[in-house]
Amino acid sequence: KAGVTQTPRYLIKTRGQQVTLSCSPISGHRSVSWYQQTPGQGLQFLFEYFSETQRNKGNFPGRFSGRQFSNSRSEMNVSTLELGDSALYLCASSFKTSGGPSYEQYFGPGTRLTVT
Amino acid sequence: QKEVEQNSGPLSVPEGAIASLNCTYSDRGSQSFFWYRQYSGKSPELIMFIYSNGDKEDGRFTAQLNKASQYVSLLIRDSQPSDSATYLCAATGGGGNKLTFGTGTQLKVEL
Repeated sequence: KAGVTQTPRYLIKTRGQQVTLSCSPISGHRSVSWYQQTPGQGLQFLFEYFSETQRNKGNFPGRFSGRQFSNSRSEMNVSTLELGDSALYLCASSFKTSGGPSYEQYFGPGTRLTVT
Repeated sequence: QKEVEQNSGPLSVPEGAIASLNCTYSDRGSQSFFWYRQYSGKSPELIMFIYSNGDKEDGRFTAQLNKASQYVSLLIRDSQPSDSATYLCAATGGGGNKLTFGTGTQLKVEL
């Protein structure tokens, strides 16, 4: 099975611009989560989509938004970029663990966003 | 107070030794616990998950969970230089898929 794919892999934007990142989950996985990773804050949860509906949301400002399409592909958008948005943005594709209460999450390679 | 805490390290062990990585969590509602390995410049890779008290073994890796003490650990037997990476502990609570991560422990396996 192909893994999680994310595009683009690298991006350089200017403050005030907006950006859209894309994620294609592993075939058959219906849940997609997004995370931000920075050296200072580590890995932080942004939001999760399941069957085109946002199921969970982290503590990020409204400039961060996302959506999921009927084929489970997901996009996240960041508007009015700030220098502090420079980070590695990771998408995770999930399926329910057999007999367990939670989902196994597999990460894509990430999109490295630099805001100048 | 961070919800998931790990010692940042670095933890140095000689090749062939057992590496012991520890993690504590504050939310008693946490149900499942995950260990990820992350090499520099790469994305996290799932090693193991555990949700029942006790031990779970997979090859050279053993995850241990003690819900009463709110403690999770990962043992790596016969450590190899290729195990040198940052190990991230994560927990999920009830409802949905939100993973709360610790800051990671850097492991160095020395020849």
